[in-house]
Amino acid sequence: GENVEQHPSTLSVQEGDSAVIKCTYSDSASNYFPWYKQELGKRPQLIIDIRSNVGEKKDQRIAVTLNKTAKHFSLHITETQPEDSAVYFCAASAYSGGGADGLTFGKGTHLIIQP
Amino acid sequence: DSGVTQTPKHLITATGQRVTLRCSPRSGDLSVYWYQQSLDQGLQFLIQYYNGEERAKGNILERFSAQQFPDLHSELNLSSLELGDSALYFCASSPGEDTIYFGEGSWLTVV
Repeated sequence: GENVEQHPSTLSVQEGDSAVIKCTYSDSASNYFPWYKQELGKRPQLIIDIRSNVGEKKDQRIAVTLNKTAKHFSLHITETQPEDSAVYFCAASAYSGGGADGLTFGKGTHLIIQP
Repeated sequence: DSGVTQTPKHLITATGQRVTLRCSPRSGDLSVYWYQQSLDQGLQFLIQYYNGEERAKGNILERFSAQQFPDLHSELNLSSLELGDSALYFCASSPGEDTIYFGEGSWLTVV
């Protein structure tokens, strides 16, 4: 089955700086890679996703890059703000038209934005 | 609000007992997923149903079972509960595309 590794487990950055979180996956059949943000005690919320037919996607201060050859993808957050503090999860899945076949999540990165 | 409804929000029960967690997916969503989140294990995929049929199975214990009913709501049954089953259980749903939306979760504490 799929295995997703996520690094680092904790990331502390100064407010206004950039943050990068990296993930690798093992199953070459995976073709859908979402990122979720989870605040303490709350549900994971989708912030951005990328499919295997593109290499990069941006949404305001957030961007995701995908390297299918190397089987890794990354989340980039620019101009970080205090409200960006949360746990971020990457995930991978093989989508075959009937819904993603059960996302496999990384273990999460606790992002801390220092004022 | 994601539109995915889970009940109960909190549950405390004793070891050896059985509980049922309920999930109502977003209107029109055919796929339902169950995930377990504990402090040391992150988000673990348990099982997926698509339009009433089991579609994918993850790390679900034999003591756990689930089903999706004709009205598309789903139930996760946890039996012979152990202390280690204490966790936050999330239900998620998808319209058949790849985007998955999570409910608020059910906190289960086994004492």
